[in-house]
Amino acid sequence: RKEVEQDPGPFNVPEGATVAFNCTYSNSASQSFFWYRQDCRKEPKLLMSVYSSGNEDGRFTAQLNRASQYISLLIRDSKLSDSATYLCVVNSGGYNKLIFGAGTRLAVHP
Amino acid sequence: EPEVTQTPSHQVTQMGQEVILRCVPISNHLYFYWYRQILGQKVEFLVSFYNNEISEKSEIFDDQFSVERPDGSNFTLKIRSTKLEDSAMYFCAGYRGRQAKNIQYFGAGTRLSVL
Repeated sequence: RKEVEQDPGPFNVPEGATVAFNCTYSNSASQSFFWYRQDCRKEPKLLMSVYSSGNEDGRFTAQLNRASQYISLLIRDSKLSDSATYLCVVNSGGYNKLIFGAGTRLAVHP
Repeated sequence: EPEVTQTPSHQVTQMGQEVILRCVPISNHLYFYWYRQILGQKVEFLVSFYNNEISEKSEIFDDQFSVERPDGSNFTLKIRSTKLEDSAMYFCAGYRGRQAKNIQYFGAGTRLSVL
């Protein structure tokens, strides 16, 4: 089983749509969970951390289910500028190395 | 000011040559990391560095790779004898410690092209 597994997409959605991404992870000892965004040939940029209680940042909502080892990201009212690859990331080990999923590609069209 | 600065942005080298990739994290980072991303693939952990020594490394990080932080600011990744399959984006990351909620800050990356 892959350490972090995501649907690769692509998700092609019109502007204004709501889109949801899912992710599962295999290491039950992971303590920190994140969604990063990566534009083509750029560095990963932190979108948001994910907490068990769920958290929201503007149009973005993240949820964590530790029992199912499942993480989700919901994007409401999609903008053209949301087009990117969304990386599900968990930490591992005492020195906080990050384990990345392969990413889900989102394309928002007019 | 970015948390982490990497140089060069693009490095072209011949197979078998040595390359050194440089990273300058902000001074309050305690942990340092190198990751790589082969074109079209996921970001992969290479090595973590804490208290002036390697704390963890992946199976990718073999004897051809080394890291050091000689002057307390620059954090370098050296590849001793590059292979074609070393062509990738190399990202450096810094982390301030647990009070920073386990968040790592990534540099813009160095694209290494081995010919």
